[in-house]
Amino acid sequence: DTAVSQTPKYLVTQMGNDKSIKCEQNLGHDTMYWYKQDSKKFLKIMFSYNNKELIINETVPNRFSPKSPDKAHLNLHINSLELGDSAVYFCASSQGAGGPETQYFGPGTRLLVL
Amino acid sequence: GQNIDQPTEMTATEGAIVQINCTYQTSGFNGLFWYQQHAGEAPTFLSYNVLDGLEEKGRFSSFLSRSKGYSYLLLKELQMKDSASYLCAVNLYNTDKLIFGTGTRLQVFP
Repeated sequence: DTAVSQTPKYLVTQMGNDKSIKCEQNLGHDTMYWYKQDSKKFLKIMFSYNNKELIINETVPNRFSPKSPDKAHLNLHINSLELGDSAVYFCASSQGAGGPETQYFGPGTRLLVL
Repeated sequence: GQNIDQPTEMTATEGAIVQINCTYQTSGFNGLFWYQQHAGEAPTFLSYNVLDGLEEKGRFSSFLSRSKGYSYLLLKELQMKDSASYLCAVNLYNTDKLIFGTGTRLQVFP
């Protein structure tokens, strides 16, 4: 299936732990994103990469570090997890950058920090 | 700063028409997207407006007025499966950045 996929779908962990979320797209897109959706369903951009280059880096704690090994993959590593990090994290991709490209979202990773 | 407003919740009856409004004030504007998000699922693309006017796509239409900073999504012949959140998102000028509104949760009743 052509899609944006994320693993894991659910992640439950203790405060202070380090965890990673993986994202892959096989749509041949050049740009990938990470979004955070909080408990009030507000969806906010965190990062975007175009062809492995960081383009958008919103005001996100530096405990969050994205890594793009190639243009089809964008992973998110989170150090020293905090309670407030509990949210749904969505990966997305689009064809290009610098313009109004439709973004296609992955199924989301539900992170719960205890 | 960026500000995008949508009503939090709306209800409607199966078969009816509903209009979901979105007003925005952003620094730079390229166009406006509407996404649909069912509970527990990913947002999916519905429509994109860059010019003023109405874009029609089957039962869904979207309107934009750039001068008024206003858009709406019109859903006709409502079906139960249309119960979802509808997210308005502004694409900022010369970037691929989307700024999302808080979403409107629509419940369709029989």
